[in-house]
Amino acid sequence: TQLLEQSPQFLSIQEGENLTVYCNSSSVFSSLQWYRQEPGEGPVLLVTVVTGGEVKKLKRLTFQFGDARKDSSLHITAAQPGDTGLYLCAGGTGTYKYIFGTGTRLKVLA
Amino acid sequence: NAGVTQTPKFQVLKTGQSMTLQCAQDMNHEYMSWYRQDPGMGLRLIHYSVGAGITDQGEVPNGYNVSRSTTEDFPLRLLSAAPSQTSVYFCASSYSASGSSYEQYFGPGTRLTVT
Repeated sequence: TQLLEQSPQFLSIQEGENLTVYCNSSSVFSSLQWYRQEPGEGPVLLVTVVTGGEVKKLKRLTFQFGDARKDSSLHITAAQPGDTGLYLCAGGTGTYKYIFGTGTRLKVLA
Repeated sequence: NAGVTQTPKFQVLKTGQSMTLQCAQDMNHEYMSWYRQDPGMGLRLIHYSVGAGITDQGEVPNGYNVSRSTTEDFPLRLLSAAPSQTSVYFCASSYSASGSSYEQYFGPGTRLTVT
């Protein structure tokens, strides 16, 4: 069974601070996605990385796929209250199915 | 373009009752799926469909049925509700963005409580 563990589970920081969220597995994934989910809404896709070692930037968010395609990280620079939400990683199995991580709940205080 | 719509938004059922959660998409996506989200467990795949007339089981299919008669609609049926089915249910549609990745679009969810 493929599992994706995210850490930390919860994170509460002040506006302007930097943070990193990790997504780890013992399995190899064909791709890795990150989603953000706000209360009462469905997850929204932020990024997809497909190549080992790949780095993608989306404004203040930097996503990295591990060289062995077993792990990923999300780094946020100068966090803002609008970044508050649940961050989910999802590993691609090479088919249509994705395995979702357990989630990191981020709260950014003004 | 409404994207993925789900109804109802909230539902309370008694144990043993049945109901259908509705899901529709207007993006002409080939793939659709149902997930449930429980605290600390992320999203778990219940059933999925790779096209009209084709469905298959995901990770947690017991107690649920699906059908896909059109590209647009993918209803989820709870046959005999149990308290363990209390959860938030999300429908998603997706397309192949590249050879090895698919982009998923989620609906707003249905919050189900079974008493």
